[in-house]
Amino acid sequence: GDSVTQMEGPVTLSEEAFLTINCTYTATGYPSLFWYVQYPGEGLQLLLKATKADDKGSNKGFEATYRKETTSFHLEKGSVQVSDSAVYFCALSDRGSTLGRLYFGRGTQLTVWP
Amino acid sequence: EAGVAQSPRYKIIEKRQSVAFWCNPISGHATLYWYQQILGQGPKLLIQFQNNGVVDDSQLPKDRFSAERLKGVDSTLKIQPAKLEDSAVYLCASSLDPGLYEQYFGPGTRLTVT
Repeated sequence: GDSVTQMEGPVTLSEEAFLTINCTYTATGYPSLFWYVQYPGEGLQLLLKATKADDKGSNKGFEATYRKETTSFHLEKGSVQVSDSAVYFCALSDRGSTLGRLYFGRGTQLTVWP
Repeated sequence: EAGVAQSPRYKIIEKRQSVAFWCNPISGHATLYWYQQILGQGPKLLIQFQNNGVVDDSQLPKDRFSAERLKGVDSTLKIQPAKLEDSAVYLCASSLDPGLYEQYFGPGTRLTVT
């Protein structure tokens, strides 16, 4: 079945450090890939997405590239800020399905120190 | 525009008691999802509605969980009787159309079963 594997956290960085959170997926179909972010006390928010191989999703300085050959969708940011502290979830949705069901990874807690 | 509303935000009950959660999706969103997020794990879909009909409840423990969506708008998720392993955050999400549009999440209801 469809599934997502994320690197385990927590990840602790100093402000302006480079961030990478690894995500790999398994899918029977041809999925769309997402990164969601959950700030403390809030619901999940879509951060970025990519719908086909080699697409790059980007938002708020974060980027992720859909790599079909390595079944990966790693999240990166060149210079993190304290305000980026949150839990990040990688997810996939089977584009061949009309249901739009999301399969989530376990989440990675990011803490950025000033 | 108003986001997805959920209530209550927190609930503590004893095992074998019953509990209900309420969700009001974004106006005009035909698709509504309930997810269960156990501590340290990613959200897992429990049930999906399209308007007021169920399109996916394969992961819903139907012996104790039930859900309804009246008039294709608000939804209620009920647990009766609750078990210790039901302790989790219950997230409601909505979208304009499954598979094509982003899912918008509410803040969740944190349930603790003692």
